[in-house]
Amino acid sequence: QQPVQSPQAVILREGEDAVINCSSSKALYSVHWYRQKHGEAPVFLMILLKGGEQKGHEKISASFNEKKQQSSLYLTASQLSYSGTYFCGTLRGGSQGNLIFGKGTKLSVKP
Amino acid sequence: GAVVSQHPSRVICKSGTSVKIECRSLDFQATTMFWYRQFPKQSLMLMATSNEGSKATYEQGVEKDKFLINHASLTLSTLTVSSAHPEDSSFYICSARGPGPGTEAFFGQGTRLTVV
Repeated sequence: QQPVQSPQAVILREGEDAVINCSSSKALYSVHWYRQKHGEAPVFLMILLKGGEQKGHEKISASFNEKKQQSSLYLTASQLSYSGTYFCGTLRGGSQGNLIFGKGTKLSVKP
Repeated sequence: GAVVSQHPSRVICKSGTSVKIECRSLDFQATTMFWYRQFPKQSLMLMATSNEGSKATYEQGVEKDKFLINHASLTLSTLTVSSAHPEDSSFYICSARGPGPGTEAFFGQGTRLTVV
């Protein structure tokens, strides 16, 4: 029931774009995206609640395709501060269910 | 975003002793709190979920007696690691969520537990 993330790791140069995908074999009620830097707790980025929903936060945006049971996180014109591990989380057991995370995608942005 | 405070941030204890970790939601009522464990370079593994005033629900493979969770109020949950062993050394993170569907969960700072 753990969502599947791809790719496992990405290396970018500053200014390049990246896409991180998250898919599930179960129906998705919502998708939660977090970023975690080494040695720190995850930081909430955004939550997508409805199929077709898209959200943006600075140059980071995400989409949610409910039918395909997947979500994508888009990082545009990446900055050094974007480096970290990105996790998608999905709810198990309904809209008030437990938040289960994928294995993460490690993003490294180089100067 | 909402603030979740976790304490202590680091703790070193001897094998066989117990350690208590606190998780507080400072500016909202956390009807649900989650406890995760994270080993180096791995994902966040859900250990248990607790709702205020009721018993925690543990994930398969997590020992209830060893990882005792108490969610006594809408702002406080505690995790007690009993009879700690070196293999319990890990990064423990709590997360809190308010009522209503689709609300985001906010994480505490995490606790680095080292059992020697």
